[in-house]
Amino acid sequence: GAVVSQHPSWVICKSGTSVKIECRSLDFQATTMFWYRQFPKQSLMLMATSNEGSKATYEQGVEKDKFLINHASLTLSTLTVTSAHPEDSSFYICSATPGLADIQETQYFGPGTRLLVL
Amino acid sequence: AQSVTQPDIHITVSEGASLELRCNYSYGATPYLFWYVQSPGQGLQLLLKYFSGDTLVQGIKGFEAEFKRSQSSFNLRKPSVHWSDAAEYFCAVGRNSGNTPLVFGKGTRLSVIA
Repeated sequence: GAVVSQHPSWVICKSGTSVKIECRSLDFQATTMFWYRQFPKQSLMLMATSNEGSKATYEQGVEKDKFLINHASLTLSTLTVTSAHPEDSSFYICSATPGLADIQETQYFGPGTRLLVL
Repeated sequence: AQSVTQPDIHITVSEGASLELRCNYSYGATPYLFWYVQSPGQGLQLLLKYFSGDTLVQGIKGFEAEFKRSQSSFNLRKPSVHWSDAAEYFCAVGRNSGNTPLVFGKGTRLSVIA
């Protein structure tokens, strides 16, 4: 089956620093990737939709200047948390889909990245 | 807007007993429904999905789910639970199709006792 990887799997950083999280589709080309955030004991909430070669679409309430998304190739999307603060500590999960043309297609989730901001 | 309700926050079952996790959705058109399982600190694993056709869907690990349009439900079942099934289970609905953003329920945590 399709595999999506994330790197790093977990990261600890100081408040005020920036953190980059990578999401890669390993065996397929992903025209679209999604970024979700999951707070402890909560559900996943969509943060943004990332389309290759175009600007990401952010959900209401998600600061686009704080969560920078770059989908530079068909196999890689990155999420950069800029000037991270403790309230940004969360589990970030990406998913990738081969494309929107086939409505029967599904999306494949990465293993997640746990971010802890001190 | 779509929404997913999982009424049970936490369920405890004995190993070998049957299991049913409830999921209700709100969606105006043909729903694309999913069940995912998440082990602690891990990502999501797809158990099964429903797009159309037979309303009883078979998934991995012995799970099945039944789509009931009249009840707006997509309950997950397993006839005999194993200790390794202890995890968090999420029901989700696709906004427009299977490969658009998913709206998740809040999850049901399953504990399995001996």
